[in-house]
Amino acid sequence: NAGVTQTPKFQVLKTGQSMTLQCAQDMNHNSMYWYRQDPGMGLRLIYYSASEGTTDKGEVPNGYNVSRLNKREFSLRLESAAPSQTSVYFCASSEVAYNEQFFGPGTRLTVL
Amino acid sequence: AQRVTQPEKLLSVFKGAPVELKCNYSYSGSPELFWYVQYSRQRLQLLLRHISRESIKGFTADLNKGETSFHLKKPFAQEEDSAMYYCALGLAGTYKYIFGTGTRLKVLA
Repeated sequence: NAGVTQTPKFQVLKTGQSMTLQCAQDMNHNSMYWYRQDPGMGLRLIYYSASEGTTDKGEVPNGYNVSRLNKREFSLRLESAAPSQTSVYFCASSEVAYNEQFFGPGTRLTVL
Repeated sequence: AQRVTQPEKLLSVFKGAPVELKCNYSYSGSPELFWYVQYSRQRLQLLLRHISRESIKGFTADLNKGETSFHLKKPFAQEEDSAMYYCALGLAGTYKYIFGTGTRLKVLA
């Protein structure tokens, strides 16, 4: 099992460009999450999906949209990238709430 | 507001010395607390959670509701314990987690 996979691993964008970060899990988990990790800030929740067909805002949702395409996949979209969105993005999944979260390897995004 | 505080950005100890990584939380509900660890070039992974009350890799953590703390302890540090450690709080009735800013542990030979 691959666990949680993320694509791409690295990405450089110019201000105003758009892109979608992809996440997939093969553990049949119900819940999926997107976090950003910034120096000195820890991990901050952007959006989450408690179950297939539902999504909700986390702590820092502005500038992002998400799609829970099916039970396996949860994508994060930046419609108009800004330098403040330069970060490392992690996708995670868990079977149910308050269970162990399994993390992907991360996507390092730089917005120039 | 809910908050997780890890006061130390960096903690350096010598091999064989005791380790304590501090975590304090602010939350009015019933807390679910976790410690996650990220070793170099590896993914973030669960180390332990308070509800299981187990010892993983020699680490333990006890939830102290009176002091709102969930400190991570190990009596004898090993070099392979060098990593980034995050304390996380699960908010009851939601699917949300609050992570602390992390503590980098360096175990010196």
